[in-house]
Amino acid sequence: GQQVMQIPQYQHVQEGEDFTTYCNSSTTLSNIQWYKQRPGGHPVFLIQLVKSGEVKKQKRLTFQFGEAKKNSSLHITATQTTDVGTYFCAGQRSNAGNMLTFGGGTRLMVKP
Amino acid sequence: NAGVTQTPKFQVLKTGQSMTLQCAQDMNHNSMYWYRQDPGMGLRLIYYSASEGTTDKGEVPNGYNVSRLNKREFSLRLESAAPSQTSVYFCASSVSGRIGELFFGEGSRLTVL
Repeated sequence: GQQVMQIPQYQHVQEGEDFTTYCNSSTTLSNIQWYKQRPGGHPVFLIQLVKSGEVKKQKRLTFQFGEAKKNSSLHITATQTTDVGTYFCAGQRSNAGNMLTFGGGTRLMVKP
Repeated sequence: NAGVTQTPKFQVLKTGQSMTLQCAQDMNHNSMYWYRQDPGMGLRLIYYSASEGTTDKGEVPNGYNVSRLNKREFSLRLESAAPSQTSVYFCASSVSGRIGELFFGEGSRLTVL
């Protein structure tokens, strides 16, 4: 079945440092979504990428979708303590109906 | 704005007991989902309902049943709970399944002893 792998599993950064999490799928995706889950909370949608090579920015967050539509990344510039949480990618295949497969997540910890 | 509401928030069961997790959404969404979240494993899809009247298995359906009661409500039932079903369960909804964000409930923490 489809697998979506995310690395790293954990990341500690000093406030102000940059952070990147990477997502790789074993199959080509029709689209990829990113979610953030604060400790003790529920996942909250951040963004969806659909086009090959697409790059989207939300303030300090930059999201990329690979040319082959099998990988994606989330980069945070100058992390803040409010960025703490677990970031998940989730991929959807074009022939998989409603099924969205989540990666294992990257837990970001920020030292003030 | 209630969004997606799940009940109960916490539950402790003994092995072999049954229970139903309830989920309701007030956003007029067509699709609804049940995920479980275990440490280090992300969210895994148990069952989903693309539209009222339909349900389909996800990645980990064994030991669970679902009912799409109407457009608003989607319940998850554990007929005979096992310790391996100890997890945090999230219900989610989306406008439709093809492309679109998921809106998650706050989660239900289930412990099976």
